[in-house]
Amino acid sequence: NAGVTQTPKFQVLKTGQSMTLQCAQDMNHNSMYWYRQDPGMGLRLIYYSASEGTTDKGEVPNGYNVSRLNKREFSLRLESAAPSQTSVYFCASSRAGASTDTQYFGPGTRLTVL
Amino acid sequence: KNQVEQSPQSLIILEGKNCTLQCNYTVSPFSNLRWYKQDTGRGPVSLTIMTFSENTKSNGRYTATLDADTKQSSLHITASQLSDSASYICVVSASPGTYKYIFGTGTRLKVLA
Repeated sequence: NAGVTQTPKFQVLKTGQSMTLQCAQDMNHNSMYWYRQDPGMGLRLIYYSASEGTTDKGEVPNGYNVSRLNKREFSLRLESAAPSQTSVYFCASSRAGASTDTQYFGPGTRLTVL
Repeated sequence: KNQVEQSPQSLIILEGKNCTLQCNYTVSPFSNLRWYKQDTGRGPVSLTIMTFSENTKSNGRYTATLDADTKQSSLHITASQLSDSASYICVVSASPGTYKYIFGTGTRLKVLA
């Protein structure tokens, strides 16, 4: 099992450019998450998907869109990147979304917006 | 406001020594508390999950304790190894809502030979 995979690992964008971060899991998990991690701050939830076909906003959704393509894949799109979106982005998954389920994280995407 | 505070921010210890990391939270209602280990350049990895009724939980050399009355948790690392060098993150789940995880900023541990 590869667990949770993310692509790309690194990306540099110019202000106003768009891009999609890809995430896939092979653990047959129902719930998937996108977080961002900034220096001096805890991870913050951007979007959450409880199951295929459903998505919900998290704490910091502005400037982002998501697509739960199927059970395995959950993508995060930046339509018009801004320097404030420079961050490390983590995708995670859990079996059923219950609060006691273990979350499994991907290796992260390091995004710099110039 | 739901918050998770960790101390110290950073810690340096010698290989073989023990250490204890602290986590205080003001999350309500409380569902569970978990500790993650995050190696540099990697995603967090779960170490322990404790619910309200659990006082202690171990995972190898890692032992977590929870005092739900004082809203405090600690992570004790025994006989530290160089591979323990990482950030340790305390996360509290606020119920209701399965996605409401409040993350601390972490304690950065460095183990020296």
